[in-house]
Amino acid sequence: DAGVTQSPTHLIKTRGQQVTLRCSPISGHKSVSWYQQVLGQGPQFIFQYYEKEERGRGNFPDRFSARQFPNYSSELNVNALLLGDSALYLCASSLAQGRRGETQYFGPGTRLLVL
Amino acid sequence: AQRVTQPEKLLSVFKGAPVELKCNYSYSGSPELFWYVQYSRQRLQLLLRHISRESIKGFTADLNKGETSFHLKKPFAQEEDSAMYYCALRGNTGGFKTIFGAGTRLFVKA
Repeated sequence: DAGVTQSPTHLIKTRGQQVTLRCSPISGHKSVSWYQQVLGQGPQFIFQYYEKEERGRGNFPDRFSARQFPNYSSELNVNALLLGDSALYLCASSLAQGRRGETQYFGPGTRLLVL
Repeated sequence: AQRVTQPEKLLSVFKGAPVELKCNYSYSGSPELFWYVQYSRQRLQLLLRHISRESIKGFTADLNKGETSFHLKKPFAQEEDSAMYYCALRGNTGGFKTIFGAGTRLFVKA
């Protein structure tokens, strides 16, 4: 198993554009979470999806949206990109919804640069 | 407010020396505390969690609820311990919303 995979690895966009990032969880995992990691900071929680439903949302504007597909893969969409959206976007998968003791497994991330 | 604070951005020690990476948190309730590690050119991975009370790669961390701290310790640092370390907190309301600290880069010198 390759673990959590994300595509693309790198992306360059200009202000005002829209971007879609993709994540494939570990086989058998039903939960996907998205994090934004700005340079010099720790990851910041954006969304969690479990069984195709949103189960958690961080403090991000409505320009950020996500969805989960029947095969449990997920997409993160960001509209009207701002310079401040430049960051490493991490996807994490887990077996279930997030009971105490459950583990998240992180992907390698997609590095987004907004010019 | 829910917050994780790692006061040191960089910690440099000599091989064989003890190491302690500090973490303080703010949370109303009983959170789950974690240490994650990211080695050079590798993905973020879980090192240990407080509920397991285990030692991983010689590292231990004790949750001190009175001081709201979860410091990571190792008695004898090794060069392969050089990495970025993140302290993280997850609430007790279910789900995976995890709050991370800003991280501490540990550099172990030969």
